[in-house]
Amino acid sequence: DTGVSQNPRHKITKRGQNVTFRCDPISEHNRLYWYRQTLGQGPEFLTYFQNEAQLEKSRLLSDRFSAERPKGSFSTLEIQRTEQGDSAMYLCASSLIGAGVSDEQFFGPGTRLTVL
Amino acid sequence: GDSVTQMEGPVTLSEEAFLTINCTYTATGYPSLFWYVQYPGEGLQLLLKATKADDKGSNKGFEATYRKETTSFHLEKGSVQVSDSAVYFCALYGNNRLAFGKGNQVVVIP
Repeated sequence: DTGVSQNPRHKITKRGQNVTFRCDPISEHNRLYWYRQTLGQGPEFLTYFQNEAQLEKSRLLSDRFSAERPKGSFSTLEIQRTEQGDSAMYLCASSLIGAGVSDEQFFGPGTRLTVL
Repeated sequence: GDSVTQMEGPVTLSEEAFLTINCTYTATGYPSLFWYVQYPGEGLQLLLKATKADDKGSNKGFEATYRKETTSFHLEKGSVQVSDSAVYFCALYGNNRLAFGKGNQVVVIP
């Protein structure tokens, strides 16, 4: 078990460009979450998947954002036409939800996005 | 909706001092409560948790008790070390997601 991994760790892009981040959860975990963290704030929920199904999206997730988890394993988060306000740390977490299993989420190291 | 409030501002204290970070929550039902820690340059790590009223979570000398009557989950440590310098986040799990407080930066001076 190598934990949750995220790539890239850092991304610098120009306004208007598209970016894509990847998250690899802990292998047996059936839930995967995306959060966004801006400077001086706690993480804010964006969306989550149970297996390959995206079950909920936050109002923070505008139409420029899309997330996928095609085979119920890794996930990608794409931001189209980036804006300076998208600059933040994007965190991925995974958990195992089921009978008798706790709701503990394990976090990856995050992808820091800077939009110039 | 569910929310978590942490005391304002960074906390600076000397090594071996007593640490308290206040956390209160608003939620429907009885959520699980967590403290996460973020060391410089690292990701969020679970520090401790409590799943029902009066439960006490503990880890690495830190403790927090789930108080339903005051909707609180204050973090305490009796004697901090320089290595405890980090940002601490209180969180609750409800509606299929974690809701976090703003975090408190703790700086421990030798």
